[in-house]
Amino acid sequence: NAGVMQNPRHLVRRRGQEARLRCSPMKGHSHVYWYRQLPEEGLKFMVYLQKENIIDESGMPKERFSAEFPKEGPSILRIQQVVRGDSAAYFCASSRAAGGNTEAFFGQGTRLTVV
Amino acid sequence: GIQVEQSPPDLILQEGANSTLRCNFSDSVNNLQWFHQNPWGQLINLFYIPSGTKQNGRLSATTVATERYSLLYISSSQTTDSGVYFCAAISGSEKLVFGKGTKLTVNP
Repeated sequence: NAGVMQNPRHLVRRRGQEARLRCSPMKGHSHVYWYRQLPEEGLKFMVYLQKENIIDESGMPKERFSAEFPKEGPSILRIQQVVRGDSAAYFCASSRAAGGNTEAFFGQGTRLTVV
Repeated sequence: GIQVEQSPPDLILQEGANSTLRCNFSDSVNNLQWFHQNPWGQLINLFYIPSGTKQNGRLSATTVATERYSLLYISSSQTTDSGVYFCAAISGSEKLVFGKGTKLTVNP
C-alpha cells in the first residue's frame, strides 16, 4: 500500500530554467494538495486539485507557477523561469475526500534548489 | 482564515522525560492533524484528531474543540523523537493551515 509518491526528491535548477515536480496520490485518493515549506518555517498551502480540476489556487503565485492533475498520471507542479526565492521544499498531500473531514497524507517532498 | 499557534517553539529534553506540546486555533475546526517532521524532512502522520483523545504507543493527543486547543503528549522520550512537531487545522475550507511547529531535541 504505497503512500504519496513525489519525485524527484531533490532538484537543482539554474535561474531561468523550468522545474517540474510530480506527485502520485495514495491509491483511492482523488484530492491532491501542494504546499511549500521555506527553511525553518511551517508549510504554506499553494493549490488544491481534483482530477482535471483546480479547486483552490489561492496560495499559488499568479505568475510562473501552474499545477495540473490530469485524468491519467500524476499531479504536476510547474515553475517556469525559476528564481533563487523559489528554493524550498515542496510537499504534496492527498486525501480520499474533500479535506475538511478526512485525513491528509503527505509525500516525502521535493527539495528544489535554484543556483 | 483560521490562525494556528503552537507552543513552545523549542523544547530540549533528556531521554526518558515526558513532554506536552500545545496547539491553539482561532476558530472551530472540522479537521486537526499532528505531524512529526523528522531530521530528514519527512512528514509523518501522528494523529487525525478534530476532537477527543487518541493514543498510539508513547504518544497521545487530546483536542478540546469547544476551547479551541489540542495537546500532544510524548512519554518516555527517545532520541528518535527529535524533530519538528506540527499541528495543522482546517476550518471552513479545504486546506490545512499549519502552525510554525515545536522543535524538539531529545538528548541521550
